[in-house]
Amino acid sequence: RKEVEQDPGPFNVPEGATVAFNCTYSNSASQSFFWYRQDCRKEPKLLMSVYSSGNEDGRFTAQLNRASQYISLLIRDSKLSDSATYLCVVNRYGGSQGNLIFGKGTKLSVKP
Amino acid sequence: DGGITQSPKYLFRKEGQNVTLSCEQNLNHDAMYWYRQDPGQGLRLIYYSQIVNDFQKGDIAEGYSVSREKKESFPLTVTSAQKNPTAFYLCASSTGTVNEQFFGPGTRLTVL
Repeated sequence: RKEVEQDPGPFNVPEGATVAFNCTYSNSASQSFFWYRQDCRKEPKLLMSVYSSGNEDGRFTAQLNRASQYISLLIRDSKLSDSATYLCVVNRYGGSQGNLIFGKGTKLSVKP
Repeated sequence: DGGITQSPKYLFRKEGQNVTLSCEQNLNHDAMYWYRQDPGQGLRLIYYSQIVNDFQKGDIAEGYSVSREKKESFPLTVTSAQKNPTAFYLCASSTGTVNEQFFGPGTRLTVL
């Protein structure tokens, strides 16, 4: 299994749709998880951290499934401005060691 | 405003030349990173530094060099030994290596 794996997409959805992305990771000891957003030809920007209990920020919900080693991002009521590539990020080693590993991203295109 | 700056935004280099990319942060972060991103690809770690005067190789350090003489600055030199240097270079910083990272706007390097 790759360290961090995402479906590259693209996901093409109409405005107002709900879309979900999954990401799998290989190291069961990883403890830091994030979702980043990257617009075309721009730097990645932190969207949200992912906590064990799951967390929500407006239209965005992130969940962690440690048993199956995947994290998910749910976007409700999609907006045109949500069009971007979403990067799944996991720390390489367990505990406080190691660096973050960035997935290659899932591309989302929201259409009118 | 706190943030990370990178310069220049665009850089053109002739084959055989060394070039240095600048990265400065005023977030008082201890850790700094350099990544490379190729079209349609994920971020790959070149070098990182957890404290001043110390740095470690990432996954693709060959052909690159760094220094960390000040907490705020982490310049990257792309040497002539790097065979395929054309890419988007991103600098990031964080409070610790497993914590969320914040990125600068990037430098696009093109070898002519």
